[in-house]
Amino acid sequence: DAKTTQPPSMDCAEGRAANLPCNHSTISGNEYVYWYRQIHSQGPQYIIHGLKNNETNEMASLIITEDRKSSTLILPHATLRDTAVYYCIVRGLSGTYKYIFGTGTRLKVLA
Amino acid sequence: NAGVMQNPRHLVRRRGQEARLRCSPMKGHSHVYWYRQLPEEGLKFMVYLQKENIIDESGMPKERFSAEFPKEGPSILRIQQVVRGDSAAYFCASSPGGRATYEQYFGPGTRLTVT
Repeated sequence: DAKTTQPPSMDCAEGRAANLPCNHSTISGNEYVYWYRQIHSQGPQYIIHGLKNNETNEMASLIITEDRKSSTLILPHATLRDTAVYYCIVRGLSGTYKYIFGTGTRLKVLA
Repeated sequence: NAGVMQNPRHLVRRRGQEARLRCSPMKGHSHVYWYRQLPEEGLKFMVYLQKENIIDESGMPKERFSAEFPKEGPSILRIQQVVRGDSAAYFCASSPGGRATYEQYFGPGTRLTVT
């Protein structure tokens, strides 16, 4: 089973920031948080990942709480092309590094 | 640098036939993962392979499914005697190594339809 919990759906106005939450209250100290998105039925697209520090790249920012039990993916200026299902995944240093996908959050960006 | 390539993109098979799905990882990547996505569901892990080795096949159905990643050539996911329940999108992902810090890059998928 997935170790993460996400709201099933969210709406965001175009041009506004989209803040997607993820709960991972059972995360272990050596487990990373990964975010992917799947647009329509395409292959999942990597967005960002982090361990405990906040991370930022050209696509998004990842904010991880100090206790690491939750995180938020921020798309600073959402566009219609950001409409997708967003998956938050926890993966550790042991095992075979497979991803266990949950049900994700279906983000709809509204014009 | 070309991304992960999968072929065919669409495959139609009749019940009882065999399906072969191919995955070419990104250049420099030696680790391949296969995932399956049933209609209206999330992705489920199937198998993890390195060159010539199956590392984790805990998500593979016990019968009819097999996977390989030979020293030369693409990774192959093989489904024998397909049934309607095998209709799904099959995604392959690759990474440069077996570390948790390495993200996986996904291909466009193969959509298998069993008639």
